[in-house]
Amino acid sequence: AQTVTQSQPEMSVQEAETVTLSCTYDTSESDYYLFWYKQPPSRQMILVIRQEAYKQQNATENRFSVNFQKAAKSFSLKISDSQLGDAAMYFCAYRVSVYSGGGADGLTFGKGTHLIIQP
Amino acid sequence: NAGVTQTPKFRILKIGQSMTLQCAQDMNHNYMYWYRQDPGMGLKLIYYSVGAGITDKGEVPNGYNVSRSTTEDFPLRLELAAPSQTSVYFCASSYAGDTQYFGPGTRLTVL
Repeated sequence: AQTVTQSQPEMSVQEAETVTLSCTYDTSESDYYLFWYKQPPSRQMILVIRQEAYKQQNATENRFSVNFQKAAKSFSLKISDSQLGDAAMYFCAYRVSVYSGGGADGLTFGKGTHLIIQP
Repeated sequence: NAGVTQTPKFRILKIGQSMTLQCAQDMNHNYMYWYRQDPGMGLKLIYYSVGAGITDKGEVPNGYNVSRSTTEDFPLRLELAAPSQTSVYFCASSYAGDTQYFGPGTRLTVL
């Protein structure tokens, strides 16, 4: 069974600084997807960034970027120029690709990291 | 596009009562999912569906039932509510089983 581990229950960063959230996962599959979701106090799950395992290039979305290390099974999220609106729970998630013969079942989530932005 | 919608937003049930959580999406997605989120935890998969008439169990299906009669709707049924089902429930959908888009959630309390 796949597992996703987020070892930082809480992180704090000064506004405008850079912060990195860690995520490791365990799988025997070679073709899969990795995601970071943001959950603000409103509880809405918002997709931040997505990485396809067959792509070597790290995904970026504006101030958000990932460091994907496939051999190490590591998928960290870097947030640059942190803003007050970035304060939220951040969840790392995994799923095997349906195109590799994997099932259509859902995402496997980590327990989350609570990100605090200090003004 | 409304995306994924869920009703109700909040609900309090007494032990042994039944209810249906509604979920609808207007993105013509084939795949739909139900998750629950307990305090301090990530989401866990309850049931999923790959199309109308096809459903399957996830990690934590006990105490729940689902049906999928249309592409748009994927209701979750709780037959005999128990305190252990107190949680926040999320519905999600995706086009090809990869990126999932979530509804706003339903907070359920069973007393």
